Amino acid sequence: GAGVSQSPRYKVTKRGQDVALRCDPISGHVSLYWYRQALGQGPEFLTYFNYEAQQDKSGLPNDRFSAERPEGSISTLTIQRTEQRDSAMYRCASSLELAGGPTGELFFGEGSRLTVL
Amino acid sequence: GQSLEQPSEVTAVEGAIVQINCTYQTSGFYGLSWYQQHDGGAPTFLSYNGLDGLEETGRFSSFLSRSDSYGYLLLQELQMKDSASYFCAVRGTGGSYQKVTFGTGTKLQVIP
Repeated sequence: GAGVSQSPRYKVTKRGQDVALRCDPISGHVSLYWYRQALGQGPEFLTYFNYEAQQDKSGLPNDRFSAERPEGSISTLTIQRTEQRDSAMYRCASSLELAGGPTGELFFGEGSRLTVL
Repeated sequence: GQSLEQPSEVTAVEGAIVQINCTYQTSGFYGLSWYQQHDGGAPTFLSYNGLDGLEETGRFSSFLSRSDSYGYLLLQELQMKDSASYFCAVRGTGGSYQKVTFGTGTKLQVIP
């Protein structure tokens, strides 16, 4: 695709439900990042992948959060047993080269806004 | 821990020059990036400094001093469309070359 695509754009769920957020990176991009962004704040690192390998998941808040990228392209961020504090914008970013190459440039998607009631 | 400090808000006049500072304290550092984010939009890449000095890209310039753990973004000939939030981001935090950590952001308001 032309850009990083995320779905759903908006998700409203009830506390305790599981949600899956999908990211389709730019074709051919090898690195994929997940961030969480609260209103008025900077993106908060969650995890990243090189191809299908999860390299760093130190930013995942707890074991209710998990991510996968089984074929090195599309990635899914799953939140189990959602809580109200999980409400935020979840953003995916990709880069053509590892770590964004010489410039470190990341291409962000429009995000998935999660609201937990 | 990782800390990137930026002023929360800056106001400047159309046509003027504004500088947005970023100081960082991180365990590990490979480079400093800047991103722009308009309200409701996605962050977009502006510039990157891997070495000390000034990088210029059109009306935008970015500076890095690794010895001072400091950088800034300079916007010249401000336009109304420059009103947005600006984030500095450090690559290489936490000992991971590829981990990119963002600052809290500076909201720039350009006034006529």
